[in-house]
Amino acid sequence: QLLESGGGLVQPGGSLRLSCAASGFTFSSYAINWVRQGPGKGLEWVSGISGGSEFTYYAESVKGRFTISRDNSKDTLYLQMDSLRADDTAVYYCAKSTGPNHYHWFDPWGQGTLVTVSS
Amino acid sequence: QSVLTQPPSVSAAPGQKVTISCSGSSSNIGNQYVSWYQQVPGTTPKLLIYENNKRPSGIPDRFSGSKSGTSATLGITGLQTGDEADYYCGTWDSSLRGYVFGTGTKVTVL
Repeated sequence: QLLESGGGLVQPGGSLRLSCAASGFTFSSYAINWVRQGPGKGLEWVSGISGGSEFTYYAESVKGRFTISRDNSKDTLYLQMDSLRADDTAVYYCAKSTGPNHYHWFDPWGQGTLVTVSS
Repeated sequence: QSVLTQPPSVSAAPGQKVTISCSGSSSNIGNQYVSWYQQVPGTTPKLLIYENNKRPSGIPDRFSGSKSGTSATLGITGLQTGDEADYYCGTWDSSLRGYVFGTGTKVTVL
């Protein structure tokens, strides 16, 4: 199970931190990802982090603005989002990967948290 | 713009078959596993196919996947009204060093 939180309304240029609480599996053994979906749009992978935090990956669209991290002692994933823009408006999902640093498929997915960037 | 291209929509009558293509390149589909996701409107995406052609527990065998070269295909047989959804392919891209999703295909049951 994955449960996201932290979404909300933020002004352009602002910051927000999303959380994803995991349960039901050995959290530290799996890479976890953030995937977003803008209104009426398709799925866009945002970022991924390996089980032990050794490796992080980002989409070009968020590189330098977003930071992914995790706390394995709390079974929780984070996404720090800075310099937010209107086109960051989306539902943000966290999704579990297939191994400690494998990204072949995602299952399960959380229910999503909505981020709205608007003045 | 996604690096994986899918047709925007496909449709067929109940009981018929549809196929959805996913076209990529040697840096993604050509040397990586392909997965497929189903997203019924208003719900969370669900894994449908993994490792090109394997079905998770609970996914009926009406759904099938295949891969050839730099393209992959999802097939749905015995189409049901409950299959109306958006379908996305996905895979790792070794050049981009990131995961990529297809553009998405809306399946309509006529």
